[in-house]
Amino acid sequence: DTGVSQNPRHKITKRGQNVTFRCDPISEHNRLYWYRQTLGQGPEFLTYFQNEAQLEKSRLLSDRFSAERPKGSFSTLEIQRTEQGDSAMYLCASSLPRYGYTFGSGTRLTVV
Amino acid sequence: AQTVTQSQPEMSVQEAETVTLSCTYDTSESDYYLFWYKQPPSRQMILVIRQEAYKQQNATENRFSVNFQKAAKSFSLKISDSQLGDAAMYFCAYNENNDMRFGAGTRLTVKP
Repeated sequence: DTGVSQNPRHKITKRGQNVTFRCDPISEHNRLYWYRQTLGQGPEFLTYFQNEAQLEKSRLLSDRFSAERPKGSFSTLEIQRTEQGDSAMYLCASSLPRYGYTFGSGTRLTVV
Repeated sequence: AQTVTQSQPEMSVQEAETVTLSCTYDTSESDYYLFWYKQPPSRQMILVIRQEAYKQQNATENRFSVNFQKAAKSFSLKISDSQLGDAAMYFCAYNENNDMRFGAGTRLTVKP
């Protein structure tokens, strides 16, 4: 297990299109997190899962955003009807409770 | 709500010198965890150091150490013998039980 894997690394989409990102966490980690990071800012929390249960969602996660972790392993983050303001780096991380996170390399989304 | 404040948007240090990055946080909890993460340009976030709030002893990892002042809610990072590879964004983070909250970051430049 080489760490947290995110795909794709980059995504360019037209405004109004739907996009889906995938995250494969470290297999022993039961917690999985999604963050959004814009240029020059720290990561902003979006949502997190413990196993397959989505336990917390930020107000940043509008109804156009949905995340799933169907079998408690990989997770997907979908953005429907993308807007230019959705352009950002989307980071996934996994952890065991109360330990530091291991981050993936992120998916950079550009909405044109 | 927990907030994390990094008051230094940018810092600069001469190679081989020591630099301290500041972080303060706000919480009403007594049991929590604090972290420093490093994010090199276009690369993923890496955990630098971790501190448990119940421990009075400051964490140390090689050239990286922290000054944890619980009463003052301060958690600074000291980098000794700075190296060119230390140049990056540094994020302070707070974690209680669930999601981690990040500061806005400090961009560290290392001058040869």
